[in-house]
Formats: sequence, C-alpha cells, structure tokens
Amino acid sequence: DTEVTQTPKHLVMGMTNKKSLKCEQHMGHRAMYWYKQKAKKPPELMFVYSYEKLSINESVPSRFSPECPNSSLLNLHLHALQPEDSALYLCASSQVSAGIPRDTQYFGPGTRLTVL
Amino acid sequence: EDKVVQSPLSLVVHEGDTVTLNCSYEVTNFRSLLWYKQEKKAPTFLFMLTSSGIEKKSGRLSSILDKKELFSILNITATQTGDSAVYLCAFNAGNNRKLIWGLGTSLAVNP
Repeated sequence: DTEVTQTPKHLVMGMTNKKSLKCEQHMGHRAMYWYKQKAKKPPELMFVYSYEKLSINESVPSRFSPECPNSSLLNLHLHALQPEDSALYLCASSQVSAGIPRDTQYFGPGTRLTVL
Repeated sequence: EDKVVQSPLSLVVHEGDTVTLNCSYEVTNFRSLLWYKQEKKAPTFLFMLTSSGIEKKSGRLSSILDKKELFSILNITATQTGDSAVYLCAFNAGNNRKLIWGLGTSLAVNP
C-alpha cells in the first residue's frame, strides 16, 4: 500500500474561518510533509515532520499551523487565511533511515483550497 | 544557489511518438534526482536516480542520469493519451532532504 490520503478534497472558506486539512498514511513512514502548489508551479515545501517532531518550517506564516498527532497522521490548521492562500495543498510522506528522511516522497491527492 | 531547469516547458505530440524530456541542474551537494508525473492532482513517483549512466526503466518510460554533465533525461516511447501530464524533475541535496523542483514539462499527447 503506497497510498497517502487527504481530506477534504475541496474546501472553500472565508477569511475569518478556522478549518483543518488532514493527511493519513499507513506505510510506516516516519517523515511527513506539507506542500503548497499554485497553478502551473511546482510544489513549494511548507513543513517537514520527522518522528512526529517539526524539523523544517519554511518561514510559513503563523496562520498555517501544522500538527502531527501520531506517526500516521498530519494536520494543517488554517486560521485567518488570505485569498492568495488559495492553492492545492499536498501532503507527502517518506521513509526515514538513520534519522534522516529518505529521498523518495509519496504524495496524497491534495486538498483544493479556495479562500474567499 | 541550487537550481533545476527543465526543457521544453511544453510539448505537443501525436500518439505513438517518442519524447525526450530534459532536466539539468546545478547543485552544491547532489544526492539524488527524482522524476514525478502530475496529472490533475498528486505528483506520482516515477524514478529516483543516484548513479551516473545507469538506466531506470518502467514499461515505456526510462530515465538516465549524467552526473558529469549535470543532467537527466526522461524518455517515453510509443506515447499514449494517458501520458498527457506535467512531468516534474526534482533533486535532493544535503541532509535535510528538501526537494528542489524544476518548473515541469507539460506534455500533451493527441490521438
């Protein structure tokens, strides 16, 4: 099973709303990632978790708040977003070897977020 | 600054054609190069290349890495309409395993 699942598939929210994106994998991967992807652009890394600890935060605004409750789940809490935050949000996971995430990342189908 | 350049940016071919997609890179600490296919949603992993001159193959797709000349190619033979997608190249450098992405090649295969 090489599947990463994400919910919801689509989300429309206002600038004052609070919502959460969810990601789940059962491949035993101990590194998980959040990416943001705008149209016709490659994925842009936001956060990396390794063994449920935040290891990389790519200077993401605090209105995005990640959470890794256990080794299979990754959440992204959203609050007070701006219209320019509308994008496809991708979750990915990879194995970890000797404490370092392995190179190959497997992606979920993404959540298409629209901020009004 | 590390960077990845893909060419062409877009390509239109007919079914049955063979295509070659290019990915060149400039990196300070190369670890691996990855190819992904992205249709409507998630990038789907195709290949990871770490050694020069060794071809990776999966069905009609194949890829090879040249670490001396700093490029990789992705070949697709006997293209089908289902091959229509954006093909992304990314490399992995350093210990934090952050992927550096190219802009992708948008391939359209017409019947």
